[in-house]
Amino acid sequence: GAGVSQSPRYKVAKRGQDVALRCDPISGHVSLFWYQQALGQGPEFLTYFQNEAQLDKSGLPSDRFFAERPEGSVSTLKIQRTQQEDSAVYLCASSPWVAGVTDTQYFGPGTRLTVL
Amino acid sequence: KQEVTQIPAALSVPEGENLVLNCSFTDSAIYNLQWFRQDPGKGLTSLLLIQSSQREQTSGRLNASLDKSSGRSTLYIAASQPGDSATYLCAVDSNYQLIWGAGTKLIIKP
Repeated sequence: GAGVSQSPRYKVAKRGQDVALRCDPISGHVSLFWYQQALGQGPEFLTYFQNEAQLDKSGLPSDRFFAERPEGSVSTLKIQRTQQEDSAVYLCASSPWVAGVTDTQYFGPGTRLTVL
Repeated sequence: KQEVTQIPAALSVPEGENLVLNCSFTDSAIYNLQWFRQDPGKGLTSLLLIQSSQREQTSGRLNASLDKSSGRSTLYIAASQPGDSATYLCAVDSNYQLIWGAGTKLIIKP
């Protein structure tokens, strides 16, 4: 079946613009994760959803970052007033299990955000 | 705070060689450790997952070991092929949050 998809794949924004990044997880997956990956670094955890509930947002770097998953499937990561340091690849992953049950996460291809 | 380190940062070897990638972590209280492969523009693919109670996992030409007490894991790739060229990342699962190393960029020369 279809894997995790993300859109857009590439986004260029001017500093100060708002952006919205979309993630379509694998159908039926309970858990959804967002990660931020800077160039040459490993991904860093941003936030976690169990169905529609955002259970952990401790990794969001500032209050300019906001994520939602209103119906427990598609998720959107919104970044307000983008800054150059927000330039990164944003990865979404989903898992069929409730987090805490050890299982692999399935990753989307990522959205590469460039802030000019 | 859990920290994950991968050495070397980059590795280039001729086709056919066996090789070892290293991953170390500072806190042994982990649920599992995973090795991923990242290809440009294609996201991350899980290769092997080792539960905290396990010592190793094998898949084809790949073998991953885990020594929790010393905070180390290795990924062994046998008979390397040009198609193995990618960045390999390890990640430890500490209470569902994956904590990642920066990766090893592997180039297999034909």
